[in-house]
Amino acid sequence: EAGVAQSPRYKIIEKRQSVAFWCNPISGHATLYWYQQILGQGPKLLIQFQNNGVVDDSQLPKDRFSAERLKGVDSTLKIQPAKLEDSAVYLCASSPSRGAGGITGELFFGEGSRLTVL
Amino acid sequence: GENVEQHPSTLSVQEGDSAVIKCTYSDSASNYFPWYKQELGKGPQLIIDIRSNVGEKKDQRIAVTLNKTAKHFSLHITETQPEDSAVYFCAAKAGGGGSQGNLIFGKGTKLSVKP
Repeated sequence: EAGVAQSPRYKIIEKRQSVAFWCNPISGHATLYWYQQILGQGPKLLIQFQNNGVVDDSQLPKDRFSAERLKGVDSTLKIQPAKLEDSAVYLCASSPSRGAGGITGELFFGEGSRLTVL
Repeated sequence: GENVEQHPSTLSVQEGDSAVIKCTYSDSASNYFPWYKQELGKGPQLIIDIRSNVGEKKDQRIAVTLNKTAKHFSLHITETQPEDSAVYFCAAKAGGGGSQGNLIFGKGTKLSVKP
């Protein structure tokens, strides 16, 4: 079974430029997540989709970050304009469902997209 | 909101020794506690999880214990091997509200197993 695919793996941009990351979840997984992982820290949730609807985007800096999941499959995360503090690994994860009673089951992570903002 | 503290930040053990990583959480409504292993250049991978109705769970060399009263949980790895070297993250699921499924991760523990 193919895992979560992400691209690009690495991206270097100047501050105030824009960047987009793409994610293809595991086939059949209804829930898709974007996490930000700053060096030396644990992943922090940016946005969660259930099919193509947003479940939680409370920690997404909406003035510069946007994400969409068209047709409930692939997803893109965009940053415009980028700031130095956006340098991080952006992880996409998927899961089959939210699980019984709303309890999260296993998240399957991609290898991430490493962003460096100069 | 939920806050997860993880200790130690680095841990070095000899091959064959045991390793213990501890986490505390703040939200008493949290009910799901997974542990993820992240190797260099890879995404985190679930290694074991425990739900709040269980006190202990074991899978071969890995075990997790949960103390709901004290709000802490621990990962135990026995008979460590060099391939156990990685960064380990604990997490807790924030309880209730609109953030179901929102896992709060600790800052990670870098485990080094010396041959």
